[in-house]
Amino acid sequence: GAVVSQHPSWVICKSGTSVKIECRSLDFQATTMFWYRQFPKQSLMLMATSNEGSKATYEQGVEKDKFLINHASLTLSTLTVTSAHPEDSSFYICSAPGGPPFSYNEQFFGPGTRLTVL
Amino acid sequence: SQKIEQNSEALNIQEGKTATLTCNYTNYSPAYLQWYRQDPGRGPVFLLLIRENEKEKRKERLKVTFDTTLKQSLFHITASQPADSATYLCALGRDFNKFYFGSGTKLNVKP
Repeated sequence: GAVVSQHPSWVICKSGTSVKIECRSLDFQATTMFWYRQFPKQSLMLMATSNEGSKATYEQGVEKDKFLINHASLTLSTLTVTSAHPEDSSFYICSAPGGPPFSYNEQFFGPGTRLTVL
Repeated sequence: SQKIEQNSEALNIQEGKTATLTCNYTNYSPAYLQWYRQDPGRGPVFLLLIRENEKEKRKERLKVTFDTTLKQSLFHITASQPADSATYLCALGRDFNKFYFGSGTKLNVKP
């Protein structure tokens, strides 16, 4: 199947700093990518939809100025957590619907990024 | 808003038995329902998709049913193996632009 990578796989930062997480589709193009957050033993919560060439669409309750999304190319989306606080500590996962030659029926997930804010 | 419920308690079964996991939803009419497997510290992996006009879908040892009247999907793993131990998530959507996930059910298959 298609491969989606994330970088870094884990990051520890101080409160007040900004952290950038990259999501790449390695063997297909993704005009749309999704960003999720997952707390321990909880479900994936959709944060936003990243659209190549246009602004991201944020879910209700997600601060767009805090979670900056940039879909720079057909294979790269970045999520920047600005002025991070301990409550932002979570597991962040991106996904992309399969593009050719893969089925669009399927979403491919990255391995996730564990963010810890001290 | 939509509500998706999966049994939060772990399901413990013996190797070789059939595991059945449930996904119930309310306040939503999905056109698609997907099942994913998630291992600790990893992203979900797609398993099966079923459409609203499909009653059942099979893939090897996996079977999914979708009852839009009951607003429920059942996920079966036959001849379960210890390697099937993981958390299984259901996800619902109206199109492929957006899916909403349940909280998942942890399956433990004991040898």
